[in-house]
Amino acid sequence: GQQLNQSPQSMFIQEGEDVSMNCTSSSIFNTWLWYKQDPGEGPVLLIALYKAGELTSNGRLTAQFGITRKDSFLNISASIPSDVGIYFCAGLSAGYALNFGKGTSLLVTP
Amino acid sequence: EAGVVQSPRYKIIEKKQPVAFWCNPISGHNTLYWYLQNLGQGPELLIRYENEEAVDDSQLPKDRFSAERLKGVDSTLKIQPAELGDSAVYLCASSPDPRVETQYFGPGTRLLVL
Repeated sequence: GQQLNQSPQSMFIQEGEDVSMNCTSSSIFNTWLWYKQDPGEGPVLLIALYKAGELTSNGRLTAQFGITRKDSFLNISASIPSDVGIYFCAGLSAGYALNFGKGTSLLVTP
Repeated sequence: EAGVVQSPRYKIIEKKQPVAFWCNPISGHNTLYWYLQNLGQGPELLIRYENEEAVDDSQLPKDRFSAERLKGVDSTLKIQPAELGDSAVYLCASSPDPRVETQYFGPGTRLLVL
């Protein structure tokens, strides 16, 4: 599948801080998805993006589908300890096979 | 509503042994996926079922991996024989329709091959 570059690889922040992470690809995607995975669990969908330029929020989370269709970012505002986990971006170009990034590991200290 | 159930949650085997993973999808979900997740990586699709039909198994290493979903509900993924490099998490997901964004993941089976 296509290579997705997710950055940063890890983040260590204090509670209350805002977080920003992004995902880039050399290929165009029609759909971008953002997932969160807690230890010992499967990924859970946070936000789905379907159109270039689309900006979507889910509570304290905001994600955008890049205009070029080759990138996406996820922001978390006012982080809390339960935001800890690994955040994955995933792109879909055709068919049903998602291309996942390698994840951003987020640690939040009280 | 019960989520996707997978068993066992953990499995340790010696190389060259066979191993099987079981998945019970959410009731009513016709689409079922098996993913492989290596340490530090995102999930990679192995096979996708629509009811009992495997509609995409292009990424399944068929020399040692097999899967079945005989009655269109539960599914089993098998590795025979297992190799050291098969150590990973095997995730099952199901969705009520073919749209990937509607899929729900199970907790996974963590396999360690010694």
